[in-house]
Amino acid sequence: GAVVSQHPSRVICKSGTSVKIECRSLDFQATTMFWYRQFPKQSLMLMATSNEGSKATYEQGVEKDKFLINHASLTLSTLTVTSAHPEDSSFYICSASAPEGVEQYFGPGTRLTVT
Amino acid sequence: RKEVEQDPGPFNVPEGATVAFNCTYSNSASQSFFWYRQDCRKEPKLLMSVYSSGNEDGRFTAQLNRASQYISLLIRDSKLSDSATYLCVVTRSNYQLIWGAGTKLIIKP
Repeated sequence: GAVVSQHPSRVICKSGTSVKIECRSLDFQATTMFWYRQFPKQSLMLMATSNEGSKATYEQGVEKDKFLINHASLTLSTLTVTSAHPEDSSFYICSASAPEGVEQYFGPGTRLTVT
Repeated sequence: RKEVEQDPGPFNVPEGATVAFNCTYSNSASQSFFWYRQDCRKEPKLLMSVYSSGNEDGRFTAQLNRASQYISLLIRDSKLSDSATYLCVVTRSNYQLIWGAGTKLIIKP
């Protein structure tokens, strides 16, 4: 199956700092990448959908100025959590889909802890 | 009402038993259906797609009932390694994935 990597896998940062998470499709070109957030014992919640070369589409309730998404190439998307607060602590997961399929391939996730 | 609903469990099942999960969805325009498996603190992994005719993959059988808008997953001869959370996923017409909250399965020796 297709491989998606995510970096870093774990990050601890202080309140007020910004954190960048990278998502890469390693062996296919991803026309669309998705960013999810998952709080403990809850379902994945879609934050935004990004298509290469265009602005991301954010879900209702997700602040686009706080969660900056860049999808500059067909293999790389980044999520930057700006001015992070403890309530932003969560498991952030990206996924990518190839042009010909509906199936999404998931990265291993990034566990963010804001102190 | 949630768009995709699952019993959160946990289901405590002895090794070797058969276990079944159900999932209901509210959007009749949903196009595609999947079961994902998520281990603790890991990303979800696709277990199988679900087709109207039903499909089987080894010990796993998935079925879709469009009229009643529910999806099922059957696991036969359960193994300890089957312990995980099983997520029901449905797509909208724009291919956006809508996730259930998952059903936790614990297989006991």
